[in-house]
Amino acid sequence: DAKTTQPNSMESNEEEPVHLPCNHSTISGTDYIHWYRQLPSQGPEYVIHGLTSNVNNRMASLAIAEDRKSSTLILHRATLRDAAVYYCILTYRGGSNYKLTFGKGTLLTVNP
Amino acid sequence: SAVISQKPSRDICQRGTSLTIQCQVDSQVTMMFWYRQQPGQSLTLIATANQGSEATYESGFVIDKFPISRPNLTFSTLTVSNMSPEDSSIYLCSVEQGINYGYTFGSGTRLTVV
Repeated sequence: DAKTTQPNSMESNEEEPVHLPCNHSTISGTDYIHWYRQLPSQGPEYVIHGLTSNVNNRMASLAIAEDRKSSTLILHRATLRDAAVYYCILTYRGGSNYKLTFGKGTLLTVNP
Repeated sequence: SAVISQKPSRDICQRGTSLTIQCQVDSQVTMMFWYRQQPGQSLTLIATANQGSEATYESGFVIDKFPISRPNLTFSTLTVSNMSPEDSSIYLCSVEQGINYGYTFGSGTRLTVV
């Protein structure tokens, strides 16, 4: 599986935007970029995913570099409930039922 | 999205014993996935369980230690056998929700082996 690199930790203030970076320089043309987050004492939660184009949903936005070697998860207004570990994961999507391989992720701290 | 019920939510077990963890999904799914999260670590995939066939185990995990059952399209169990303190972890099951929804995870089973 292609690897991703994320900062170990980031800090933000409540109600400010947060940009969580992810480098994936060895990404292949068939790899999708997925983001999950894990709140304290909970299982991971799907956030967003994309292939080439930027994506928006109710939780976040995903900005994908033109060469696809990096991406950024954007939380438009951080809240205290957004404090979690955020995982950037590449998955081969030749069909359904792909596997998720979790790295260490980025621990996001949100200050009131 | 699917709702996953995982039982038990936590347990404290004696070394040498076995614990069976149940995962119930409120909709039919082709594959179910079992993960382990050791203290302070990220998630590691243990195996993939397809209904009607043997589970597929990842490197480092074996059927004798982590037998899995998948009797129907909404249910699976993971057994942690002959437990040692090193098996103390959170065990999570997961299902895929389709291309637009990603995976859904259960809330996990926190296992402590003493």
